[in-house]
Amino acid sequence: DQQVKQNSPSLSVQEGRISILNCDYTNSMFDYFLWYKKYPAEGPTFLISISSIKDKNEDGRFTVFLNKSAKHLSLHIVPSQPGDSAVYFCAASASVRGASKLTFGTGTRLQVTL
Amino acid sequence: NAGVTQTPKFQVLKTGQSMTLQCAQDMNHEYMSWYRQDPGMGLRLIHYSVGAGITDQGEVPNGYNVSRSTTEDFPLRLLSAAPSQTSVYFCASSSGLAHYNEQFFGPGTRLTVL
Repeated sequence: DQQVKQNSPSLSVQEGRISILNCDYTNSMFDYFLWYKKYPAEGPTFLISISSIKDKNEDGRFTVFLNKSAKHLSLHIVPSQPGDSAVYFCAASASVRGASKLTFGTGTRLQVTL
Repeated sequence: NAGVTQTPKFQVLKTGQSMTLQCAQDMNHEYMSWYRQDPGMGLRLIHYSVGAGITDQGEVPNGYNVSRSTTEDFPLRLLSAAPSQTSVYFCASSSGLAHYNEQFFGPGTRLTVL
């Protein structure tokens, strides 16, 4: 049972345009959401996060939007750059016995073309 | 600061063999965890530790053992490797248990079990 879903396995966007990556979740206990970026042969690195009490968080070119009623979040990258080409994982967090555990989506491979 | 290091980078095993995947961090982080990444499955939590001497199971613990004798090291043991354990394994660490404590990932170990 996939509690965090990224339904688009890949996305291609032209340089300079907006990239929108989507993520849906089913568990109402999730209260914190994160996006990780992963380059080939490297581990994931943290990109941006949002608490469930907010609906938007912005960091430079990256903005995450959260729609709790729809159990949906999205990552916007504006403008997209070739260096943004990577796999993006959505992750959700719920505290279990005082420890936060992450549940990851399956990832979306973003390719930014020239 | 090396961050999170993992050895080996690549490993091929035969069914039934045992081995230990090494993970070390030099950030004095209390919280460490092991994930596996499979195609179409995202990252799944295997085991985690909230401090030296304390470990707990994650989502997919069967076939794996862990121990945490020091803050720095968190080895993952495969007692009798199976083809289903062919995967990429990531170790991660963070300074705290809260969801806002960023998890830092190692570069991964790619394991093939024949």
